[in-house]
Amino acid sequence: NAGVTQTPKFQVLKTGQSMTLQCAQDMNHNSMYWYRQDPGMGLRLIYYSASEGTTDKGEVPNGYNVSRLNKREFSLRLESAAPSQTSVYFCASSARQGEWETQYFGPGTRLLVL
Amino acid sequence: AQSVTQLGSHVSVSEGALVLLRCNYSSSVPPYLFWYVQYPNQGLQLLLKYTSAATLVKGINGFEAEFKKSETSFHLTKPSAHMSDAAEYFCAVTRGTGRRALTFGSGTRLQVQP
Repeated sequence: NAGVTQTPKFQVLKTGQSMTLQCAQDMNHNSMYWYRQDPGMGLRLIYYSASEGTTDKGEVPNGYNVSRLNKREFSLRLESAAPSQTSVYFCASSARQGEWETQYFGPGTRLLVL
Repeated sequence: AQSVTQLGSHVSVSEGALVLLRCNYSSSVPPYLFWYVQYPNQGLQLLLKYTSAATLVKGINGFEAEFKKSETSFHLTKPSAHMSDAAEYFCAVTRGTGRRALTFGSGTRLQVQP
C-alpha cells in the first residue's frame, strides 16, 4: 500500500504564479486534509474534506482553493502565489472525521515562492 | 476551543537516558490527544493517542504517555533513548465539535547524543 502520496516533492514558484498540489490516498478513507508546516508553528489546517463532495475551511484558508476530485484525490491550488506561502504542505487522510480518528500523512511538498 | 503547548522546542538527551517531552492542553470539552513523530524529510507518523479508554497509553517504539486531567498534561516518555529516536515530536488535540481536524503544538526536536 502506498498510503498517502503527494506530488510534486519540491517546487519553486515566482510571485503571482499558480500551481496545484496533488494528493491521493489508497486506503479508502472518507476524510482528507491539507496542512501547512512552518518553523516553530507546528502544522496548521488549510482546508479539509469530511467526505467526497464536501470541503470546508480550516485555520488558514486565505490564498488557497481545494477540490475533492473523488474519494481518492484532494488537490490544493494556489491561484497567485505569494512569498508568505513558502512552506511545507502535508496532505492527510482518515477513515472518518471523528475525534479519535488517526490521520495518516503524506511525505509533504516543499514549496518556495520567490 | 482547543490548544496545546509544548514546553521546550529542543530537548537533548544521552543515549540510554530517559526521554520526557512535555505537552499541556487546553480544552473546553474532554479532549482526544495525540503524539506524532516526524523524521527528517518525512511526513508525520502516529506514535500514540488518548481516547479516554485508559489514562496510560502505550505507543510504538517504546513510547508512552499519561493523561493527567488535574494537570491538563499529556507528556511523552521513553525509559531509554536510542539514536533512532532523534526526530521532531508533535502533540495534537482535536478541535472538538464541528471541525474535527487536529490542532498541533509547535513541536519539540529531540536530539540523542551518543
